[in-house]
Amino acid sequence: GQSLEQPSEVTAVEGAIVQINCTYQTSGFYGLSWYQQHDGGAPTFLSYNALDGLEETGRFSSFLSRSDSYGYLLLQELQMKDSASYFCAVAHTGGFKTIFGAGTRLFVKA
Amino acid sequence: NAGVTQTPKFRVLKTGQSMTLLCAQDMNHEYMYWYRQDPGMGLRLIHYSVGEGTTAKGEVPDGYNVSRLKKQNFLLGLESAAPSQTSVYFCASSYSKLDRGQLEKLFFGSGTQLSVL
Repeated sequence: GQSLEQPSEVTAVEGAIVQINCTYQTSGFYGLSWYQQHDGGAPTFLSYNALDGLEETGRFSSFLSRSDSYGYLLLQELQMKDSASYFCAVAHTGGFKTIFGAGTRLFVKA
Repeated sequence: NAGVTQTPKFRVLKTGQSMTLLCAQDMNHEYMYWYRQDPGMGLRLIHYSVGEGTTAKGEVPDGYNVSRLKKQNFLLGLESAAPSQTSVYFCASSYSKLDRGQLEKLFFGSGTQLSVL
């Protein structure tokens, strides 16, 4: 089968750094993506890792290790507006369908 | 630049009624998807399409049908609605498969809140 595991909730303080982990089990995929979703809104694309290593986009960084079936999203200099749900996702090589994890709810406190 | 547009935004159905959700994208994307989102369960793929005239089943296809008669439109149908189909439905699209790096970047519509009583 195929599945992605994420923590259900993470709480952090404004200005801090937080890491959201994603472990997966899948037979084959092109890469690992991350999406952000605010309450009542649509998911929006944050980052994508096709290769192992770290990808940086402003305050957000994402990491992938295919050998460990593991990835993470790193958010730096947390702001209150970062309070949202974050989803990891993989696009499978068989059929090009994109499957999402259950999501991690991030609470940023003042 | 509209992106991905879903209609309607809200709908209430009675058990057994049918309806069609419409998704339209103006980005010339090859791939289109229908997801449902329930509390605590993330986004689950219902059906998807890799091009005009093609459709395929996702993780939770039962009770739904889809059609992709035109490249820009992807329709999701419920033939006989059930309370278990109460959910928020999202349509998404992504770039051509020719560029693997862009394949996984999905663009989402604003969602449809469906309640089945």
